[in-house]
Amino acid sequence: SYELTQPPSVSVSPGQTARITCSGDALPKQYAYWYQQKPGQAPVLVIYKDSERPSGIPERFSGSSSGTTVTLTISGVQAEDEADYYCQSADSSGTVVFGGGTKLTVL
Amino acid sequence: EVQLVESGGGLVQPGGSLRLSCAASGFTFSIYWMHWVRQVPGKGLVWVSRINSDGSSIRYADSVKGRFTISRDNAKNTLYLQMNSLRAEDTAVYYCARHGDTAMDNWFDPWGQGTLVTVSS
Repeated sequence: SYELTQPPSVSVSPGQTARITCSGDALPKQYAYWYQQKPGQAPVLVIYKDSERPSGIPERFSGSSSGTTVTLTISGVQAEDEADYYCQSADSSGTVVFGGGTKLTVL
Repeated sequence: EVQLVESGGGLVQPGGSLRLSCAASGFTFSIYWMHWVRQVPGKGLVWVSRINSDGSSIRYADSVKGRFTISRDNAKNTLYLQMNSLRAEDTAVYYCARHGDTAMDNWFDPWGQGTLVTVSS
C-alpha cells in the first residue's frame, strides 16, 4: 500500500525556521496537504495543493514540493506552533493516505 | 460559521454495532463530498471512508470494508457511519471532515471535534 513518510519529531528554538518533510512515490503526480493538530483538538488544514495557504493561516506557514518530497516550512516559529503535523495525499486510485505525523517541539 | 458536530460514540462490546452521526451547518452540505477519519489516541490519522455529494459513489479503507457503511441525508444535513462487527482495533476518535471544493480537491476542511469509540468487553 502507498505510504507517506515523515520524521517522527522536529525541534526548533523560537524564532527559528522549522522544516518538516514528507516523502512518497506519488507526490510528483498528486498534491500534498498539511494539517496541524494540537493536543485534544481536531486537525486544521494549514497548506493545500502543495503550497497554497488557506485564509486565516499565518504567513509564516508555507509549503513546497520537489520530486517525491514535499516540505512544510514554518518561519519564525512561535510557541503556539508546537503541535503534531500530518501530510496527506492520495495514491493513483484516489485512496487517501496520511503520513505518520511529526511532533514539532519548540524548545 | 462552517461547523461539523459528531455524535454517537461510546463504549461497545466486541462484535457490537454503533452509528455515528455528523451534523453539518454553515454551508451547503448537499454539494460536498464528506469523509470519516479515525485516530487511535496518541497515534496518527487514518482515513476510513468517503461519500460523494449525492451518495452514489462510496469508498472504504480495506480495514473497514464489509463492516462499516457510510451514508448521508442531505435533507437533514447529516453524515452517518454505521459500524458493525466492531473490533478492539476500531477503538479510536472518529472525525468527520468536509472534502475540498471539487472532486479533485482532496483536502479536508473543516473537521469536526471528533467522537470517541471504545470497543471493549
